[in-house]
Formats: sequence, structure tokens, C-alpha cells
Amino acid sequence: DGGITQSPKYLFRKEGQNVTLSCEQNLNHDAMYWYRQDPGQGLRLIYYSQIVNDFQKGDIAEGYSVSREKKESFPLTVTSAQKNPTAFYLCASSIPSPSNQPQHFGDGTRLSIL
Amino acid sequence: AQTVTQSQPEMSVQEAETVTLSCTYDTSESDYYLFWYKQPPSRQMILVIRQEAYKQQNATENRFSVNFQKAAKSFSLKISDSQLGDAAMYFCAYRNPEETSGSRLTFGEGTQLTVNP
Repeated sequence: DGGITQSPKYLFRKEGQNVTLSCEQNLNHDAMYWYRQDPGQGLRLIYYSQIVNDFQKGDIAEGYSVSREKKESFPLTVTSAQKNPTAFYLCASSIPSPSNQPQHFGDGTRLSIL
Repeated sequence: AQTVTQSQPEMSVQEAETVTLSCTYDTSESDYYLFWYKQPPSRQMILVIRQEAYKQQNATENRFSVNFQKAAKSFSLKISDSQLGDAAMYFCAYRNPEETSGSRLTFGEGTQLTVNP
């Protein structure tokens, strides 16, 4: 079955540490996205990529970095510059615009501070 | 920038009854897409229904339907014959079709729906 795989499901970060969240898709989608979800809030866009080797900042990119070296993969690094990283992170992919096709989501990674 | 507002943080409904979740949005575009996603306790994001702004007919998917009022920029979700499995957080989302925006979604804050047996 095609889908999006996020790993790990739970992740803990120590002070001053960078951590990387994995996102892999086998849907052959060109576009991929990272969202952050805080309790009681909707999803906020961190970064997105429409094509390999290209990505753009979303609304809350500070303290995060991404790469898109392969179509299937879009890892997110939470750097030590992100002072409040505790949140639920969702990766998504889609056929790029213009299209009425929805974004497909992974199961998410919950990141906490040790 | 587009904004999406869900004014009901929480709603409840009796099993088998009907409930309507509200969503309004702000945009200067004439062509765009709207979505409702469901997030159960498992935290998966599941597409419920979608609407193209250029279509006047309201979308329906089984027990789920929308009331799309383009002039009022309103996109409410109606759930008929509510079931216990409908209990979840529901998010309204807007997408601008411009290619430069990368088909990014803008989400509302969500409405937590409780279904009472």
C-alpha cells in the first residue's frame, strides 16, 4: 500500500541537541510538507518542497531545517535554535498545485524535551 | 495571507443526530479549494470532504455534506446520523491554487466533536 512513513513515533531532545525527524513517501508525489501541531491549535506550516533539491520556508521556519535530495524523502531537523520544540509534527505529500487533490499525511512524530 | 477561522472550539451531538461545524475564511482569490479533515485520538489526519470554489454544487460524501457560501466565505460541515466513530477533532483547511504557493494548506484552529451515546 502506498503511504507516508514518519519515524520515530516518539523522540526526545536534550538541551543544545539537534534531532532529525524522518519522512518517507511511496506515493510518487512531487510536493512534501512539514507541519507543527501544538495542543488546541491547528497545523502550522514549517517548510515545504515542490520538487527535489528545492524547498521554501513556511510560516514558522525559524529553528528548523530541511533537505530534499530524493523525491521520496523530506527529513526535518529541529535545531538547538528552536527553543520550544515540544509538539506533534506531521509530514504530508501531494500532487502539486494546481490540483484539487488532497494532502496525504503520515502518522506523526511527538517530540519532547528531556 | 489567507486565514481560516473555526469559531466553535468544542461541539457535542447525540448519536444518530445531526451536527454542523462552522468555518469561515478570508481570501481575495476567486478560485481555490476547501477541505475538511478529521483527526481522531490516533492523531491521523483523514480527509473527510473537499470543495472546489468554482463549483456551485455543495459536496457530499455519504453522511457528510458541506454548505458552501462563496459570497459569505463560509464552509460549514454537516454530519448526519452521527456515530460514535465520528468523535474527533475536525479541521477546516484552505488551499490557494496558485502554483507558486506550492499547494500549501492553511488550517483553522479545529473543533473538537464529542458524540454522546
